[in-house]
Amino acid sequence: SYELTQPPSVSVSPGQTAGITCSGNNLEQKYVCWYQQKPGQSPLLVIYQDVKRPAGIPERFSGSNSGNTATLTISGTQAVDEADYYCQAWDSSPAGMFGGGTKLTVL
Amino acid sequence: QLQLRESGPGLVKPSETLSLTCTVSGDSVYNSDYFWGWIRQAPGKGLEWIGTIYYDGGTYYNPSLKSRVTISVDMSKNQFSLRVISVSAADTAVYYCASKLTSKGYGFDVWGQGTTVTVSS
Repeated sequence: SYELTQPPSVSVSPGQTAGITCSGNNLEQKYVCWYQQKPGQSPLLVIYQDVKRPAGIPERFSGSNSGNTATLTISGTQAVDEADYYCQAWDSSPAGMFGGGTKLTVL
Repeated sequence: QLQLRESGPGLVKPSETLSLTCTVSGDSVYNSDYFWGWIRQAPGKGLEWIGTIYYDGGTYYNPSLKSRVTISVDMSKNQFSLRVISVSAADTAVYYCASKLTSKGYGFDVWGQGTTVTVSS
């Protein structure tokens, strides 16, 4: 089955830019979504179709997908952004495997 | 506004069958605009996609779980369900139901609150 690889953890200082990567074979041929999950909460969709933000998601969240790597970028990171982040890849069928997740620490 | 709510036993014995239901409110499970899915998260672990179903009954399963999982839709009750046979401690997790639009590249944008299932004798 298709595998997605994420770094286990990423650290960023408040106000700086955080980048979380998601790697998979020919990932650019799939659509990538990103989810934010805070402790005790259900996941929240923050990016879909590689680059789009759902209504209500701050503009500081952006996405890209090229080659074998998709990236979630958080500009001007805030303490409230500290969470686990998961990528998910979709092809033409509604079968969507998740990456292993990345814990974002804002310190 | 679409809302989802999981329900089912919180404790299942090893080797038995886990059965969960997701009740859909605010729209119809028969709406062809949506796919309906199940996702789980073992304690301290990441998200695992279990499977997705369409209103016409078409299903897509995680290959690692396919032999033990069945997802179905009940139009009369506006619900969709998950069934996992031959469970073990490895199936202990928070189970989420979720929905996504059928357009390519959309993610699961509506989630239930999750229900905890423990497999133990």
